[in-house]
Amino acid sequence: AQTVTQSQPEMSVQEAETVTLSCTYDTSENNYYLFWYKQPPSRQMILVIRQEAYKQQNATENRFSVNFQKAAKSFSLKISDSQLGDTAMYFCAFIVSGTYKYIFGTGTRLKVLA
Amino acid sequence: NAGVTQTPKFQVLKTGQSMTLQCAQDMNHNSMYWYRQDPGMGLRLIYYSASEGTTDKGEVPNGYNVSRLNKREFSLRLESAAPSQTSVYFCASSEPIHSSYEQYFGPGTRLTVT
Repeated sequence: AQTVTQSQPEMSVQEAETVTLSCTYDTSENNYYLFWYKQPPSRQMILVIRQEAYKQQNATENRFSVNFQKAAKSFSLKISDSQLGDTAMYFCAFIVSGTYKYIFGTGTRLKVLA
Repeated sequence: NAGVTQTPKFQVLKTGQSMTLQCAQDMNHNSMYWYRQDPGMGLRLIYYSASEGTTDKGEVPNGYNVSRLNKREFSLRLESAAPSQTSVYFCASSEPIHSSYEQYFGPGTRLTVT
């Protein structure tokens, strides 16, 4: 069975600093997609970044980047120049290509401190 | 373009009561999903509909039923609510091939069963 593990229930970071959230997953499949979603206090789920497993290049979206290590089944999220608005719950998620069942991790609650 | 909408936003039920959570999307997506979010457990898939006319069980389907009314609408019914169904419920939609599996989420429904 596929699983997604986020081992950091809570983290904090000073404003303008860099923080890395970890995510590991387990699958025997070769083609899949990985995601980081952000859930601010408003509860709305927002896609932060997406990585296709067949792409070796790490995805980047402005201040957000990932470190995708396929062999190690690791997918960490780096947030640079942290802002107060980054305070949220962050979920790592995974889906095998051609299927419909997304698997979510249990989340990491990030607090950015002024 | 409203995206994914859910009604109601909040609901309190007594044990044994029934209710239907409504979800609609205006993005012409084929796939729709219902999740529940509980503290420390991330998002868990209840049911999904890969396309109009089909529905399938997810990870935690017991106590729920769904209806894919048409391409736009996907409802979730609790026939006899139990306190264990107290949760936040999210509806989501996606168009796997054309949007690289990105899911779009509704604002959520906070349900309390007393």
